[in-house]
Amino acid sequence: DADVTQTPRNRITKTGKRIMLECSQTKGHDRMYWYRQDPGLGLRLIYYSFDVKDINKGEISDGYSVSRQAQAKFSLSLESAIPNQTALYFCATSDYGPGAAGELFFGEGSRLTVL
Amino acid sequence: AQTVTQSQPEMSVQEAETVTLSCTYDTSESDYYLFWYKQPPSRQMILVIRQEAYKQQNATENRFSVNFQKAAKSFSLKISDSQLGDAAMYFCAYRRGNFGNEKLTFGTGTRLTIIP
Repeated sequence: DADVTQTPRNRITKTGKRIMLECSQTKGHDRMYWYRQDPGLGLRLIYYSFDVKDINKGEISDGYSVSRQAQAKFSLSLESAIPNQTALYFCATSDYGPGAAGELFFGEGSRLTVL
Repeated sequence: AQTVTQSQPEMSVQEAETVTLSCTYDTSESDYYLFWYKQPPSRQMILVIRQEAYKQQNATENRFSVNFQKAAKSFSLKISDSQLGDAAMYFCAYRRGNFGNEKLTFGTGTRLTIIP
């Protein structure tokens, strides 16, 4: 099984619908992230959480919210989806502290299409 | 804010040849980490190689190596003996070195095509 699991893998929805993307991890990392990938724009950070009680906005948080339900679970919500939120979404985790390079470990991505 | 620039949206290379992907970054920090990630058609993001800024020696991982030029703020990826399985999007990424700043900033990517 994957260390970082995202559900759903693919989703098609309509404008105005509420969508939740879920992420769970078995790596035991405290730090979790949501990134969005768009062609030609690379990956951009939406939200990140350094522990269950610490949640921070990234560079493109407008229109999104998150919930850190447990150390292993971090979900991303689109309260009212719009077409320009069509993208590939990645959840990731990282280790931290002395000796840790802080590289990200990614889930397999959730492709969201908003019609 | 730190920025990462990949100026080659697309590259192609003949199978078994060598190709170099470019990456430059902008930072005022002296302690940081640099990464190359590969995204094949399966869309999984896979770490290829990482470089600590305090290390002068260039990192290598089998056929993958980097040319890290700290003064020039350049971090290129060299793929030797290219194979069909190397076809993918490649992303360069940067993060500051001090603890509490494990957010990675990514470039826009380079799509590498391998010609049989």
